[in-house]
Amino acid sequence: DIQMTQSPTSLAASVGESVTITCLASEDIYGSLVWYQQKPGKSPQLLIYGATILEDGIPSRFSGSGSDTQYSLKINSLQPEDFASYYCQNGLSTPYTFGAGTKLELK
Amino acid sequence: EVKLQQSGDELVRPGASVKMSCKASGYTFTDYAMHWVKQSPGQGLEWIGTIIPLIDTTSYNQKFKGKATLTADKSSNTAYMELSRLTSEDSAVYYCARSTTEGPGDWFAYWGQGTLVTVSS
Repeated sequence: DIQMTQSPTSLAASVGESVTITCLASEDIYGSLVWYQQKPGKSPQLLIYGATILEDGIPSRFSGSGSDTQYSLKINSLQPEDFASYYCQNGLSTPYTFGAGTKLELK
Repeated sequence: EVKLQQSGDELVRPGASVKMSCKASGYTFTDYAMHWVKQSPGQGLEWIGTIIPLIDTTSYNQKFKGKATLTADKSSNTAYMELSRLTSEDSAVYYCARSTTEGPGDWFAYWGQGTLVTVSS
C-alpha cells in the first residue's frame, strides 16, 4: 500500500496569512494527489485533484503543487472559513490511502 | 444535482451486524462506481472498498475483507454496505462517495452525509 505522510499535524495561523501543508507519498504517485477540506461534523470536500487542478467552485487562494512523491497545498490570504482539517489522498491506485490530516486552527 | 443520501445513525451491540444505505440521485447510477470510506472518532480517513453497480463488481481494501460487504440495487439507485461481527473498533462515521473517473485512479467529488455507527452494549 502507498503510505501518505502529511505534515504538520496541526497548524495555527491568523486570518490573512498564508500556510503550506505537505504530503509525502511512499512511492511515486505520478501527480495523482488529491486534497480535501473537512469541517467538523461535515463530509470531506474536494479541493484539488491531479496535484494542481482546482475543483470547480474552489477559491483561487487554494493551490496545489508537487510531483513524484512530494506534494503541497498552499492557502493564500486565509479566510475565516478556511480553518478546518485538510487531508491528502493517493489517487493513483487502490487501496486509496489518505494522509493523517492537518488541523488548521485560528491563532 | 448529484446527491448521496445515507441512512440514519445506528447503535448496535458487539458481535452484531449492521447494514447501511446510500441512495444516489442526480446522475445515472450505473455510470459510476461507489466507494465507502471510514472515519474513526477524531481520526483520519480509510478507504474500505468500491462497487461498480453496472456489473456488480467489488474491490476491497485488504484490511476490510471479511468485515465489509458491498452491494448495490440498480432498481432503486442505492448502494449498501454491511459490516459484520462488530467491535468497538468499528465505531466510526462511514461515508459513501461517488467515483469521479473510470480509472485507474480516482478521487471523490461527491460524498454522502455520513452514517455514524456506535458499537456498544
